Formats: sequence, structure tokens, C-alpha cells
Amino acid sequence: AQTVTQSQPEMSVQEAETVTLSCTYDTSESDYYLFWYKQPPSRQMILVIRQEAYKQQNATENRFSVNFQKAAKSFSLKISDSQLGDAAMYFCAYRGRVTSGSRLTFGEGTQLTVNP
Amino acid sequence: GAGVSQSPSNKVTEKGKDVELRCDPISGHTALYWYRQSLGQGLEFLIYFQGNSAPDKSGLPSDRFSAERTGGSVSTLTIQRTQQEDSAVYLCASSFSRAYQETQYFGPGTRLLVL
Repeated sequence: AQTVTQSQPEMSVQEAETVTLSCTYDTSESDYYLFWYKQPPSRQMILVIRQEAYKQQNATENRFSVNFQKAAKSFSLKISDSQLGDAAMYFCAYRGRVTSGSRLTFGEGTQLTVNP
Repeated sequence: GAGVSQSPSNKVTEKGKDVELRCDPISGHTALYWYRQSLGQGLEFLIYFQGNSAPDKSGLPSDRFSAERTGGSVSTLTIQRTQQEDSAVYLCASSFSRAYQETQYFGPGTRLLVL
């Protein structure tokens, strides 16, 4: 079964600085997608960024970028120029073409605090 | 509406009572998913709908849990004879199709507290 591991339960960053959240996963598939979701106190899970396994180029969305290392099964999220509104729980998620069926498999989450 | 909506936002019930949680997916999304978020278990998949049928119910934790979807739109998750361990946030998500590359868009969840 696929597993997703986020080894940092909590992280903090100063406003305007850069922070990297780690995620590793285990799979035997070659065709899959990886996602980072943000969950603020409002509980709404918001998609931050996604990466297709077959794309070698790392995905970027404004201040958010990923470092996708397929061989190492690593998918970290870098937040540049951190803002107070970035404070939230961040979840890494996996969905494979074949074995995941319909579901996303989530990591345990990383609680990000942004200090002014 | 533009996003996935869920109701109620919060629900407090007594042990042994039945509860119904509602999800309105994004218009036009054929796939709908229920997840549960609890302190001890993290985010767990419960059930998935394609149209009105549920091809994957494997995440439902017991036969006290059931779900239906009508008109290819609204879904209701029902928990019968609630137990304290059912306390959690229940999240609904929808996607345009069930294809693995499709992004799942989440609602704000229903926080259930069983006393």
C-alpha cells in the first residue's frame, strides 16, 4: 500500500523568509500525482500545488514551488517570501493511476507558523 | 455556488443518536468523495461516488456508516447509533471526473462531536 510521510509535525518561519516542508512517499507505481494541500483554521482544504510524476520539471505556483525527486520518492514544498496568511496545516497527498483507485493518501500534516 | 459546500458546519449529538451530514459538490463534478479527519487517524478515505453509484466503499469503518448520492449531485453521509469514536471532521470533496489526475476540491467539513 502507498504511504505518505511528513516527518515535521511543526515548522515555523519568519515573515518574508523561506521555509521548506518535507514529504516522502512509498509506491511501486511509476504513474502518479502528488499534491500539497493547505488547511487553515477554517478547515477548508485548499490545493496549493500539484506535480505529475512523469514531468521532470518541478511545479511552481507563484511563491510556492516543489522539489520533486522521483528516485528518492521525495516531494518537498518550498514557500518563499512567507506571509502571515500562509500559516496553516499543510498536507502532502498521493494518488496513483492504478492502485489508488479513487482515493488520495495523505501524510500526517505539518503545522506551519509564520512569525511577524 | 462556486465551491463544495457542507452542512451542518458543526454537529453535537448524543451517543446512540443518528446523524446525517450533507455535501453539495461543485456543479458538473461527477465524482464525489468523503474523508474523515480525526486526531488519532489523520485523514482517512471513506467512500467515493461516480454519479449516483459508489464503486468504492472500502473506507467505511463499520456498517453504522452509509452514504447515498442522488441526481448525481448532493450526497448524504449517515452515521447510525453514533459512538464517541465517531467524533471527527468529515470532509467532502468533488472532482470533474474520477481520473487520477483530476484535482479533488474540498468543502469546509462538518465537525461532529458525539457526547
